[in-house]
Amino acid sequence: KNEVEQSPQNLTAQEGEFITINCSYSVGISALHWLQQHPGGGIVSLFMLSSGKKKHGRLIATINIQEKHSSLHITASHPRDSAVYICAANNNDMRFGAGTRLTVKP
Amino acid sequence: GAGVSQSPSNKVTEKGKDVELRCDPISGHTALYWYRQRLGQGLEFLIYFQGNSAPDKSGLPSDRFSAERTGESVSTLTIQRTQQEDSAVYLCASSPPGLAGGAGTQYFGPGTRLLVL
Repeated sequence: KNEVEQSPQNLTAQEGEFITINCSYSVGISALHWLQQHPGGGIVSLFMLSSGKKKHGRLIATINIQEKHSSLHITASHPRDSAVYICAANNNDMRFGAGTRLTVKP
Repeated sequence: GAGVSQSPSNKVTEKGKDVELRCDPISGHTALYWYRQRLGQGLEFLIYFQGNSAPDKSGLPSDRFSAERTGESVSTLTIQRTQQEDSAVYLCASSPPGLAGGAGTQYFGPGTRLLVL
């Protein structure tokens, strides 16, 4: 079993839909990261969480430390949100989920 | 302001040769990470530098891989006697000091695409 599990692997949505991507981890962490990898390969850090909830624009990330679970939500999804979203557990090193490939259709 | 830069952007080498990849972090960032991403696969952690502490080398896949960092500036990742399976994009990220002495949000460089023939 992988130390960081993401679901779903692939997700197709219509523009405007609310999207949730889930991440479960089995290792101890100092922080949980959500990353976005664009089709061209560039990686952007979306959130770094150690507790609670963070919001940035249409993106919301939550974490439940006791349950070792985090979610990334996208409200009012748009085709430009199409990317691979990666969850990573950070405790000095980084353990990555396999990523969720999101496609938002107009 | 400049972001994280990496050089070269692309490198083609012959099997058995050594390669050196360079990462220039954002000024003031105390933490620096190296990652690898093989074609069609996920990210793999290689090594983590934090300030003057001993680096976390737990992700280096073999003793052919080594990395150095001079203080809180440039880092080089060296792969000796390259093999075809080393072909990948090598990504560097840096982060400022975070809360409680840990690392903060990571800023990624554009990567070096390595192809070993």
